[in-house]
Amino acid sequence: GEDVEQSLFLSVREGDSSVINCTYTDSSSTYLYWYKQEPGAGLQLLTYIFSNMDMKQDQRLTVLLNKKDKHLSLRIADTQTGDSAIYFCAERGQAGTALIFGKGTTLSVSS
Amino acid sequence: DAGVIQSPRHEVTEMGQEVTLRCKPISGHDYLFWYRQTMMRGLELLIYFNNNVPIDDSGMPEDRFSAKMPNASFSTLKIQPSEPRDSAVYFCASSLRGRGFAGYTFGSGTRLTVV
Repeated sequence: GEDVEQSLFLSVREGDSSVINCTYTDSSSTYLYWYKQEPGAGLQLLTYIFSNMDMKQDQRLTVLLNKKDKHLSLRIADTQTGDSAIYFCAERGQAGTALIFGKGTTLSVSS
Repeated sequence: DAGVIQSPRHEVTEMGQEVTLRCKPISGHDYLFWYRQTMMRGLELLIYFNNNVPIDDSGMPEDRFSAKMPNASFSTLKIQPSEPRDSAVYFCASSLRGRGFAGYTFGSGTRLTVV
């Protein structure tokens, strides 16, 4: 079945780059997403990438997709304390509309 | 747009009581999703609707859970009777399929505690 795996924790220092990794299993996934959840809040769409792309850049965020290995990563440049949150990877296959989410990576940024 | 609105934000109830969670999706969105978030299991899809019709309820854990969408602007998730293991944050999300990437907009969630 469909599954999305992420590492649970990442700790970085302010100003460093953060890289959050994700693997997925559905090779028919059309879109892949990164969501951010701050404490006490719902999930907020950060960025997404279409499956025929290798890379997408949006200001401090860079998404890399390796479709052969089913590997997705999110790089945050110049990480700030405000980036501390839980980051969720999600995939959407062709068969349905419901997104499948990973368990989330908690990013902790220390000053 | 006010976004997806969920109520209540927090709910504390005693085991055995009925609990009703409410959601108002973004106007014009044709999909509505209910998710449950716990530390152990992460985000679980419970059920989703398209144009007010339930499409997939395979994630609903037990018959104690039921969801309805009587119209395009309102949905409820009911737990009867509630149990301590139902304690979690319940999220509602909506989306518009016509948009190519069909990203979801989430509500702020309802934190349910069953004692």
